[in-house]
Amino acid sequence: GAVVSQHPSRVICKSGTSVKIECRSLDFQATTMFWYRQFPKQSLMLMATSNEGSKATYEQGVEKDKFLINHASLTLSTLTVTSAHPEDSSFYICSALSYNEQFFGPGTRLTVL
Amino acid sequence: AQSVTQLDSHVSVSEGTPVLLRCNYSSSYSPSLFWYVQHPNKGLQLLLKYTSAATLVKGINGFEAEFKKSETSFHLTKPSAHMSDAAEYFCVVSESGVNRDDKIIFGKGTRLHILP
Repeated sequence: GAVVSQHPSRVICKSGTSVKIECRSLDFQATTMFWYRQFPKQSLMLMATSNEGSKATYEQGVEKDKFLINHASLTLSTLTVTSAHPEDSSFYICSALSYNEQFFGPGTRLTVL
Repeated sequence: AQSVTQLDSHVSVSEGTPVLLRCNYSSSYSPSLFWYVQHPNKGLQLLLKYTSAATLVKGINGFEAEFKKSETSFHLTKPSAHMSDAAEYFCVVSESGVNRDDKIIFGKGTRLHILP
C-alpha cells in the first residue's frame, strides 16, 4: 500500500528558531498533500492544502507567514514553522492524496522550549 | 498494539435510511476516538470525538457515535442519510501522554454511497 513518511519524528527547538518538517510519499506521486496539527486529546485541525507547483491554500486562522509550505515535487511537501514559540508545540501530521484516497504520515512531535 | 479496524470499505444506503459505519479499536491506554469525513479532494473534517466523557457522542450533520468499551467499538450512525453524506469516513484513535510517544492510528476508511 501507499506509504507516507515524515521527518523528523520528534524535534525540540529553542524559541525563535525555525523548524522544517518533511512529508514524503514513498511509492506514489501526490499532487495534493494536507498538513494537520493536533493538540493532546484534541482533534486534527487542517492547517493547509499543499498543491504541487502552486501556492498552498491555508485554512482560516492559520498564519501563512508563520507556517511556510513548499510542495516542490510530486513526492515532497515541507512545512517550516518560522520563529517558533512554545504555543507552536504540537503534533503535526501530513497526508497525501492519491486517486482520491488519503494516506497519512506518522506525525512529527514539535516541542518548542 | 494499537489498531483501528473499519469493518467495511464500502457502505451503500438509500437516501432517508439509517447509516451505520463500523469501527473497532484496540488501545493500551485510555484513547481519544474520532470520526472524520473526507469529501473528494478535500482535507479531513471532524464529525465528532470521544475523550472519556459521555459515551454517546453527538456530532455535526446529525451523526453520532457510541463508545462501547466492552466491545471496543465506536460505530458511527445517522438516522437518515442525505445525498450530501456521500464521502469517505475515517475512524481515528489517538493517544498522547507526557512519558510516551504520541500515537495516532487511522482506520483505512469507509466509503459511503447514497442511493437515490
